[in-house]
Amino acid sequence: GAVVSQHPSRVICKSGTSVKIECRSLDFQATTMFWYRQFPKQSLMLMATSNEGSKATYEQGVEKDKFLINHASLTLSTLTVTSAHPEDSSFYICSASSGFSGLSTDTQYFGPGTRLTVL
Amino acid sequence: AQSVTQPDIHITVSEGASLELRCNYSYGATPYLFWYVQSPGQGLQLLLKYFSGDTLVQGIKGFEAEFKRSQSSFNLRKPSVHWSDAAEYFCAVGPSGGYNKLIFGAGTRLAVHP
Repeated sequence: GAVVSQHPSRVICKSGTSVKIECRSLDFQATTMFWYRQFPKQSLMLMATSNEGSKATYEQGVEKDKFLINHASLTLSTLTVTSAHPEDSSFYICSASSGFSGLSTDTQYFGPGTRLTVL
Repeated sequence: AQSVTQPDIHITVSEGASLELRCNYSYGATPYLFWYVQSPGQGLQLLLKYFSGDTLVQGIKGFEAEFKRSQSSFNLRKPSVHWSDAAEYFCAVGPSGGYNKLIFGAGTRLAVHP
């Protein structure tokens, strides 16, 4: 149980275009979803947290106008990278939690990640 | 600043040998501690977690970890490694009783020789 999927797994796009990445909880309702970014040989960095039906909360330094997050349902969150540039190339990972408390005790279930390459 | 350090970027062990992956953290208060494993093409999977109580915690796949407050460490161990354990391992910390925000280490890649 507790499976999270991401689509696509890999995407290549031209500079200036927008890319949408989907994150789905397949067998549970995700009240909270998280988006991370992982650079090569570095740790996962939290970008933003989204609660179903609410605006996402972005971490300091993350451009909310560039990384648009929508959590329209309890099973789907999307991350749209707008006007992508080569420096946005990275591995993007989502996670989902069914907890209502929003505390660290709520287990996060992670998707397999999306490799974005911007040419 | 809050941080997690995994000193070993890459470790190679022989199948059947014991394993210890190191994790040190810097945190203002006693954190919640986690170990995750990431296999190629799969999402991070929770191996074990420590919130409070017994400082030696048991996890899935035969892994255990010990919280040592005096050393700010939460090392992961396994007495006998299997080839299927080859993966990337991440240590993470989160605020105890606080907002669900995890801080991850850079990861340790484990290779297993037959």
